[in-house]
Amino acid sequence: DAGVTQSPTHLIKTRGQQVTLRCSPKSGHDTVSWYQQALGQGPQFIFQYYEEEERQRGNFPDRFSGHQFPNYSSELNVNALLLGDSALYLCASSLDPGTDRYGYTFGSGTRLTVV
Amino acid sequence: GQQVMQIPQYQHVQEGEDFTTYCNSSTTLSNIQWYKQRPGGHPVFLIQLVKSGEVKKQKRLTFQFGEAKKNSSLHITATQTTDVGTYFCAGPFGFNKFYFGSGTKLNVKP
Repeated sequence: DAGVTQSPTHLIKTRGQQVTLRCSPKSGHDTVSWYQQALGQGPQFIFQYYEEEERQRGNFPDRFSGHQFPNYSSELNVNALLLGDSALYLCASSLDPGTDRYGYTFGSGTRLTVV
Repeated sequence: GQQVMQIPQYQHVQEGEDFTTYCNSSTTLSNIQWYKQRPGGHPVFLIQLVKSGEVKKQKRLTFQFGEAKKNSSLHITATQTTDVGTYFCAGPFGFNKFYFGSGTKLNVKP
């Protein structure tokens, strides 16, 4: 299966710590977007990476940062974790600008719990 | 601000009944997308609508895009238990940057 792969699937961190989440996009996709989904809510756009640069950003603080590697895989880093950062973090890949025709392909997500 | 609103938040139906969810944007959209998220799963792309007044069908699902391109709806005819999940609309606010609505959670009683 050449879908979107995220790791780890679950993570428990302590308030104030830092976390790194990883994503491998669907084969052939070059754009990676990250979303935060709190329980019972819709996915909230964090940022998008294309050609190893952050191209778009949502309303998230600088504690949220990312990176895209030459093989299109991506990382999401969150510093100084807060209890409110507990959520499902979804990685979505697309073929630029194919999102407008074929939509995002989402990974299964990383469930982050901050205690 | 940029946002996409969805109603209702929840819908409980008996199997065989119809279901409709509505999506409204604060601004005119170039296109709108619909996703389905099963319980414990991740969003899965269903369809994209682009043209004003566009109607598309996928078996029992009918999607509409409003004439002003600021609203959309998803209608399911004769729901089945396999339709259970949360349905999201998403609109672009910036190139390739899609904002999702809060979703409509559908529960189908057998």
